[in-house]
Amino acid sequence: EAQVTQNPRYLITVTGKKLTVTCSQNMNHEYMSWYRQDPGLGLRQIYYSMNVEVTDKGDVPEGYKVSRKEKRNFPLILESPSPNQTSLYFCASSFRGRGAMNTEAFFGQGTRLTVV
Amino acid sequence: GENVEQHPSTLSVQEGDSAVIKCTYSDSASNYFPWYKQELGKRPQLIIDIRSNVGEKKDQRIAVTLNKTAKHFSLHITETQPEDSAVYFCAACMVTGGGNKLTFGTGTQLKVEL
Repeated sequence: EAQVTQNPRYLITVTGKKLTVTCSQNMNHEYMSWYRQDPGLGLRQIYYSMNVEVTDKGDVPEGYKVSRKEKRNFPLILESPSPNQTSLYFCASSFRGRGAMNTEAFFGQGTRLTVV
Repeated sequence: GENVEQHPSTLSVQEGDSAVIKCTYSDSASNYFPWYKQELGKRPQLIIDIRSNVGEKKDQRIAVTLNKTAKHFSLHITETQPEDSAVYFCAACMVTGGGNKLTFGTGTQLKVEL
């Protein structure tokens, strides 16, 4: 079954304690990205990756890191989490667009993060 | 960069009525406009999309229209049912060989009342 898998689904942590949220896809997608969802703000892109070893900042990258060592995995790292990073996080993947074909983005189940 | 505005933020309709959600975008280079539905506690899922070379697309009870000149696009749901209750997000994207960055609107909470 084609899917994007995030872990964990729920996480409560304390300020300053490093954490990693994993994301894995089995669709051979080149393009992967991380979003955070906050009430009234929609989905905002944190970081994205166009392929292995190629990553770049999205709209709200401060306080986050990512890596793309393998095509299927795209972990999100919070080196020193703060309460303003409490949010719902989604990983998404898609093929890189060629002629605007096969551009559907598939989302993971989401990770609800609370930083206290 | 791209900016997408979405209205209304909440919409309540009676079962069987139609619902319309409107979005505007700023970057005339955007060429792909998907709509996502997010049920409570679930992930966003694509329900319909439209490319810039098409003015309208329909799939059963849902349709999307695009006006490139005015830079706006709309989602139309006819004969609404309780299971249509969800948050709907529009997005705009400039699809290139380099990637597909989606810029989302802020979402519309649709409630279909019995």
